[in-house]
Amino acid sequence: QVQLQESGPRLVKPSGTLALTCAVSGGSISSSNWWSWVRQPPGKGLEYIGDIYHSGSSDYNPSLKSRVTMLVDKSKDQFSLILTSVTAADTAVYYCVRWAGDDAFDIWGQGTMVTVSS
Amino acid sequence: EVVLTQSPGTLSLSPGERATLSCRASQSVGGNYLAWYQQKPGQAPRLLIYGASKRATGISVRFSGSGSGTDFTLTISRLEPEDFAVYHCQQYGNSPITFGQGTRLEIK
Repeated sequence: QVQLQESGPRLVKPSGTLALTCAVSGGSISSSNWWSWVRQPPGKGLEYIGDIYHSGSSDYNPSLKSRVTMLVDKSKDQFSLILTSVTAADTAVYYCVRWAGDDAFDIWGQGTMVTVSS
Repeated sequence: EVVLTQSPGTLSLSPGERATLSCRASQSVGGNYLAWYQQKPGQAPRLLIYGASKRATGISVRFSGSGSGTDFTLTISRLEPEDFAVYHCQQYGNSPITFGQGTRLEIK
């Protein structure tokens, strides 16, 4: 059973860089799936950030594209999110998710709360 | 981008009743790639329905999805206490992927 686990700093300073990693266990990141990030500000809805394939091919939400980079590390079965120039509006629970193509977002990490504050 | 509008914002019902949740898209959803997720407080969303009408693994037959094009519905046939949660619709047939704002299903 594939499981996902997010890790990274819980507190980031304004104008700084948010960096999170998602570890894939119980399966390979090189399977035929896309690996995604979704965030949820406190008390609000879900926002798609982007996704990456094991080849390194990626797609980002245009609303965040200028500040987002996603990377994949096949040797460690991990993928990462980098978000630059953060503000308080980036405070949210960040989820890593497996996008199983036609089968939608079928496996979610537990989520990690990241706060942007000085 | 495709804007998804969920209605109602909050639905108050009693256990045993039938729940009908709506998700309307601003333009046709490619391939009818529309999914529904359930989210309980402090938890990650859980996939219920994908491809508009296909139940995900392990999901009760009480949950069913229908619709096509721009209008989609999630129906819960007989509400159980554990069904009271927030429900999100998502389209993944058009780029960028988008979510609705959510419907809160609360106990009446």
